[in-house]
Amino acid sequence: GAVVSQHPSRVICKSGTSVKIECRSLDFQATTMFWYRQFPKQSLMLMATSNEGSKATYEQGVEKDKFLINHASLTLSTLTVTSAHPEDSSFYICSARDGTEYNSPLHFGNGTRLTVT
Amino acid sequence: EDKVVQSPLSLVVHEGDTVTLNCSYEVTNFRSLLWYKQEKKAPTFLFMLTSSGIEKKSGRLSSILDKKELSSILNITATQTGDSAIYLCAVVSNSGYALNFGKGTSLLVTP
Repeated sequence: GAVVSQHPSRVICKSGTSVKIECRSLDFQATTMFWYRQFPKQSLMLMATSNEGSKATYEQGVEKDKFLINHASLTLSTLTVTSAHPEDSSFYICSARDGTEYNSPLHFGNGTRLTVT
Repeated sequence: EDKVVQSPLSLVVHEGDTVTLNCSYEVTNFRSLLWYKQEKKAPTFLFMLTSSGIEKKSGRLSSILDKKELSSILNITATQTGDSAIYLCAVVSNSGYALNFGKGTSLLVTP
């Protein structure tokens, strides 16, 4: 089945630094990838939709200058948390759809646990 | 604004029990409803439902969509401790590709 690889799985960084998270589709091409954020005991909240070769679409309330998304190829999207602060500590998960149809399931990466000290 | 509501939010049962998890939705131009299981890391896909009344089944898990009632249920029979997880319901609408998730049901199966 379709596999989405996310790296790193865990990162600890100091306040004010930037962190890059990579999301790769391993055996399929993904023109669109999605970035979610999950706080403890809460559901996944969509942050942005990453489109290959064009600008990402951000959900309301998500700062695009803080969460930089780059989708330079059909198999790779990156999320960079710039000038991270402790409140950015969270679980970030990327996902991608195998195929261009609405009705194909999303596959998720294993997530990145970000802790900002 | 699209809404996906799951109930109950948490549930504790004994091994061998049968559980029913609920998901209701209000979305513009519904396309499909999906169920995921989330343990420690990322959600894993269980079912996708697009047509009303058709039961999807995989082992002890099954799910049905009721488009008239704008809801779905996920049934787990003969529960095992390995079924302990958060079960997420998500809906795809015409407003975009992305999944709109409910808050999940946290299921704990005790020995």
